[in-house]
Amino acid sequence: ILNVEQSPQSLHVQEGDSTNFTCSFPSSNFYALHWYRWETAKSPEALFVMTLNGDEKKKGRISATLNTKEGYSYLYIKGSQPEDSATYLCASANQAGTALIFGKGTTLSVSS
Amino acid sequence: DTAVSQTPKYLVTQMGNDKSIKCEQNLGHDTMYWYKQDSKKFLKIMFSYNNKELIINETVPNRFSPKSPDKAHLNLHINSLELGDSAVYFCASSQVSSNTEAFFGQGTRLTVV
Repeated sequence: ILNVEQSPQSLHVQEGDSTNFTCSFPSSNFYALHWYRWETAKSPEALFVMTLNGDEKKKGRISATLNTKEGYSYLYIKGSQPEDSATYLCASANQAGTALIFGKGTTLSVSS
Repeated sequence: DTAVSQTPKYLVTQMGNDKSIKCEQNLGHDTMYWYKQDSKKFLKIMFSYNNKELIINETVPNRFSPKSPDKAHLNLHINSLELGDSAVYFCASSQVSSNTEAFFGQGTRLTVV
């Protein structure tokens, strides 16, 4: 089972602040890296799926980068809003057909 | 139409009972999963099944067993339930061959009393 680490564990920012989180994963036999947003009492919902070294993806104010050689991904949120408050999960798979292994998540709280 | 649906949403049962949680996906995905959310909200993989191969997390007690009657279903059977089995269980599916995102069910909150 892969070891996927996320930091920080939790984060509290003010509305309008920009922030970023880190996900680290084993770089050997890398297959895919996913980011999910998980709101309380809901199911995780996908933000990005990245597979290639140097991938950068963007959705509105949220973006992500991927470095498969060194085994890390960053998630950025620009101009945080209260509705961005959630737990952000990253997950990695190291070969086709195996399960996504999730990190423990970064819980973001945005105050207005 | 719900993409991944789990039933029941809540399940309260006594220690020692045997119970099942059902999961169905209508996305045509090739792989289904069961995850357990622990007390710290950490998603831990239990099983991965892609219609050819079942991958089991070796830390999962053998009282837990997945059953897949067809590609669209992966049910979770739990024998001799214990207090420590109380958790939220999530089913998910993905199309691994095309490397797209996983879709999750709404979760089943299991309480063993």
